[in-house]
Amino acid sequence: EVQLLESGGGLVQPGGSLRLSCATSGFSFNTYAMSWVRQAPGEGLEWVSVISGTGSTTHYADSVKGRFTISRDNSKNILYLQMNNLRDEDTARYFCARDRAAAAASGGDWFDPWGQGTLVTVSS
Amino acid sequence: DIQMTQSPSSLSASVGDRVTITCRASQDIKTFLNWYQQKPGKAPNLLIYTASNFQTGVPSRFSGSGSGTDFTLTISSLQPEDFATYFCQQGYSVPRTFGQGTKVEIK
Repeated sequence: EVQLLESGGGLVQPGGSLRLSCATSGFSFNTYAMSWVRQAPGEGLEWVSVISGTGSTTHYADSVKGRFTISRDNSKNILYLQMNNLRDEDTARYFCARDRAAAAASGGDWFDPWGQGTLVTVSS
Repeated sequence: DIQMTQSPSSLSASVGDRVTITCRASQDIKTFLNWYQQKPGKAPNLLIYTASNFQTGVPSRFSGSGSGTDFTLTISSLQPEDFATYFCQQGYSVPRTFGQGTKVEIK
């Protein structure tokens, strides 16, 4: 069974940092790109970032570019999101999700499955 | 960036009703359109990929259609477990973008 389990969320002050993790099992981790998607309370879904299966290619939403860094450890089957200089508007539940293919932007991509998410609250 | 616009943003329907949700892309995305269902407090769940293909385990009352810029998700006979929020998502290019969601509520 494919499983994704996020951790690392919490309360942080504006300007602070957090590192999210997504532990995976049940599939060949290095053969899939992985994404982070977030959802602010009561709002819709916003794609944040994607990393290719090898880790060589990454893409970011403009809203987080320069502040967030996606990475992966294929020896441990874990996906990460380092979040720096956090803002109030980064408050959201952060989901990790498996992409369709190994490439970070192969076209025709979808997200399946998703983890249950970890809540990040940015507030003073 | 490709903008995705869903309509309606919410609807009220009864068990057994036929429900149609539409999603429009701001440019041609071929058939690279996916649909997700999300229940309160849960992660989204993939229903349909590339416009009309069922994910494993999705009931046959769900169907998707469309190409280019206009797409629809249809539930042929609404069941109690279908009350949820539905999102479309374009898989054509980065950044991946979602529609704002359609909340299906009980009438």
